[in-house]
Amino acid sequence: DGGITQSPKYLFRKEGQNVTLSCEQNLNHDAMYWYRQDPGQGLRLIYYSQIVNDFQKGDIAEGYSVSREKKESFPLTVTSAQKNPTAFYLCASSETSSSSYEQYFGPGTRLTVT
Amino acid sequence: AQSVAQPEDQVNVAEGNPLTVKCTYSVSGNPYLFWYVQYPNRGLQFLLKYITGDNLVKGSYGFEAEFNKSQTSFHLKKPSALVSDSALYFCAVRDRETNAGKSTFGDGTTLTVKP
Repeated sequence: DGGITQSPKYLFRKEGQNVTLSCEQNLNHDAMYWYRQDPGQGLRLIYYSQIVNDFQKGDIAEGYSVSREKKESFPLTVTSAQKNPTAFYLCASSETSSSSYEQYFGPGTRLTVT
Repeated sequence: AQSVAQPEDQVNVAEGNPLTVKCTYSVSGNPYLFWYVQYPNRGLQFLLKYITGDNLVKGSYGFEAEFNKSQTSFHLKKPSALVSDSALYFCAVRDRETNAGKSTFGDGTTLTVKP
């Protein structure tokens, strides 16, 4: 998991509350990503950013928001509009050169909303 | 559009036997291909990648994968499995031509190696 930190590891929230998940990297990577992992469904891309102050929606962006004000930070906000927010959330980063597109992942945050 | 299929949800092998975890892909152009491993309640770890060149790629922990363009496959292999190889394995693809800035992951294959 080296180089990328996610906090907290476990997060509990009441329905209707917004919650922000932290992701920080010290790998000097330009690109950062947020994925959601549900049992049996693999990884689904929520948002990604290839450069500071720019980001794109992934496959399941509804109910989520992000910001990329600094190269090393890419926080994800799970809003009350997200219908089923309980999941395991993974942050990743990568370089943007063609020889180094592999992604490096953080340890994940398990969010439980009741 | 790009997609990945991992046709087996589960692969079981005995320790010491060879293992194969299958992956097929679909891209409009040429692919970059990746394998990752995930242990319980952890993030994914990069194992190996195919960018260009030799079709047989060697990676971490004795794993290798063979790129087969005609069959659009990138199967993960290891000559002799260890119990510690038991984990969830993901294949991923990125389209070289569109350079959309993102990879698409398969649904994962759970590998169980029995002593």
